[in-house]
Amino acid sequence: DAGVTQSPTHLIKTRGQQVTLRCSPKSGHDTVSWYQQALGQGPQFIFQYYEEEERQRGNFPDRFSGHQFPNYSSELNVNALLLGDSALYLCASSQAFGSSYNEQFFGPGTRLTVL
Amino acid sequence: AQTVTQSQPEMSVQEAETVTLSCTYDTSESNYYLFWYKQPPSRQMILVIRQEAYKQQNATENRFSVNFQKAAKSFSLKISDSQLGDTAMYFCAFMKPNFGNEKLTFGTGTRLTIIP
Repeated sequence: DAGVTQSPTHLIKTRGQQVTLRCSPKSGHDTVSWYQQALGQGPQFIFQYYEEEERQRGNFPDRFSGHQFPNYSSELNVNALLLGDSALYLCASSQAFGSSYNEQFFGPGTRLTVL
Repeated sequence: AQTVTQSQPEMSVQEAETVTLSCTYDTSESNYYLFWYKQPPSRQMILVIRQEAYKQQNATENRFSVNFQKAAKSFSLKISDSQLGDTAMYFCAFMKPNFGNEKLTFGTGTRLTIIP
């Protein structure tokens, strides 16, 4: 059973460009959450997708947008990249109504560097 | 809003010794979950242990155990018989259950090094 996968592993972009990161959830999971982890910091919640809709959002600007596909995979898009967007982007998947709480399983992340 | 604080940026301990990582949190919720995650150099975030706030008994997973003090809003992780493979960043995290609509709030992490 494949866990959460993310692509690409590493990415280098320049300021002002746009980037798309991809995530495939663990088998049986229908919810995808995205987190940004700046160097030396803990992950910060960006947003969560369920049933192809953004269900909740953290304190991130509209430059950050996402999408979820019918097969539950997800994309994170960042427009007009800033140097401060350089970070490790983590995807986590969970099952919406599996139990009393829904454990999030993390992927290996995409390291984005903005020059 | 919930906050999670880890006041030890770095720690090191000799192999086979015991180490305790500290975490405090702030919330007005009565029902919640607390977690310790491990992030090795491979970057994959791995769940180490979970504690449900309504359970008074401290969680234990093999060499890992927690000291959960709800009134003090404290949640420390004890690693016994530490091994080289325990070297990693450790994050304390908070989650309010919300019918699948949950998010994790993380602390800033503690870098743990196990010395051979």
